[in-house]
Amino acid sequence: QKEVEQDPGPLSVPEGAIVSLNCTYSNSAFQYFMWYRQYSRKGPELLMYTYSSGNKEDGRFTAQVDKSSKYISLFIRDSQPSDSATYLCAMSARVRGNTPLVFGKGTRLSVIA
Amino acid sequence: EAQVTQNPRYLITVTGKKLTVTCSQNMNHEYMSWYRQDPGLGLRQIYYSMNVEVTDKGDVPEGYKVSRKEKRNFPLILESPSPNQTSLYFCASSSKGGGTTEAFFGQGTRLTVV
Repeated sequence: QKEVEQDPGPLSVPEGAIVSLNCTYSNSAFQYFMWYRQYSRKGPELLMYTYSSGNKEDGRFTAQVDKSSKYISLFIRDSQPSDSATYLCAMSARVRGNTPLVFGKGTRLSVIA
Repeated sequence: EAQVTQNPRYLITVTGKKLTVTCSQNMNHEYMSWYRQDPGLGLRQIYYSMNVEVTDKGDVPEGYKVSRKEKRNFPLILESPSPNQTSLYFCASSSKGGGTTEAFFGQGTRLTVV
């Protein structure tokens, strides 16, 4: 079983739709949960960051972490064509020394105007 | 502007010809790492460095070398490139290791080995 599972899509939605992106993980030591957005021909950039369980909202974006189910989600409200990108979940455990980020494979999202 | 700069952006080379991909950050970050991104496999860590002269292997280090002589620079060296190293490479830096702080990524280097 992979440490982090993410449906690669592609996912195509009409403008204005609510988008739900998800990842599951197996390592119960993960405490830091992130969503990165990667536009075509660009490096990933941090979109949302959550420590431990709970919700975090930033404008049209909401990140949820359910540690009991080992499940994280990113919701995008009122999706826009500019949201078209690949979304990567990432997580890490807090250990001494290297605390590498473990990435999901990414979900490619297209928002159609 | 805070940034991670990689060069070159695109590179086509032949099997066995040594090459170096440079990475430089201007944020005084201690932690730097290299990833490769392949379709269906996602981002995988190659090497990382927690500070000057401190480097260690990530998940897929075979065929790669790194050095960290200065805090801002972290070059990736392929001594004898092979076609299976054709990939998209990213350098990243953060003030601390892993997910405890934001990782900043470079623009990527698309390498083709023929």
